[in-house]
Amino acid sequence: GNSVTQMEGPVTLSEEAFLTINCTYTATGYPSLFWYVQYPGEGLQLLLKATKADDKGSNKGFEATYRKETTSFHLEKGSVQVSDSAVYFCALSANQAGTALIFGKGTTLSVSS
Amino acid sequence: GAVVSQHPSWVICKSGTSVKIECRSLDFQATTMFWYRQFPKQSLMLMATSNEGSKATYEQGVEKDKFLINHASLTLSTLTVTSAHPEDSSFYICSATRVRPQETQYFGPGTRLLVL
Repeated sequence: GNSVTQMEGPVTLSEEAFLTINCTYTATGYPSLFWYVQYPGEGLQLLLKATKADDKGSNKGFEATYRKETTSFHLEKGSVQVSDSAVYFCALSANQAGTALIFGKGTTLSVSS
Repeated sequence: GAVVSQHPSWVICKSGTSVKIECRSLDFQATTMFWYRQFPKQSLMLMATSNEGSKATYEQGVEKDKFLINHASLTLSTLTVTSAHPEDSSFYICSATRVRPQETQYFGPGTRLLVL
């Protein structure tokens, strides 16, 4: 079946450091891929998405490229801020009508000044 | 962007009571809504798929008689936790699917349930 695997956290960085959170997936067909962010005490917010191979999603300085050959969708940011501290979830959609998203376990990012 | 609301955002109840959580799509109609459960420091686990006008589809291991789902209209789905116990304490999140211009899920802010 479809699944998403994220790197284990927590990830602890200093402000302005480079961030990579790895995400790989297993899926049949051509899924869409997403990154969601959850700030402390809040619900999920869509950070970025990509719907087909080689697409790059980007938002708020974050970006991720849909790599079909490596079945990956790694999240990157060149210079993190304290305000980026949150839990990041990689997810996929099988693109079948009426199906739910499948989430990775989440990676906690903690950025210190 | 599309907005999905949940009510209440926080609820504390006594063991044995029932709690109803509402999920509303505020600016679009959603034939399909999903209910997820999130334990502390863990990922979201799909509980059930709620389809307007029909019975919900529950994931394996989720008790349908304990977690009653009603999708009475195209903008409202409710999750009722019946005879709640402390182990039901969790963060419950709904999402609603907007079909046009392309199928996209929008998440509610979540409801934190604490059963004493």
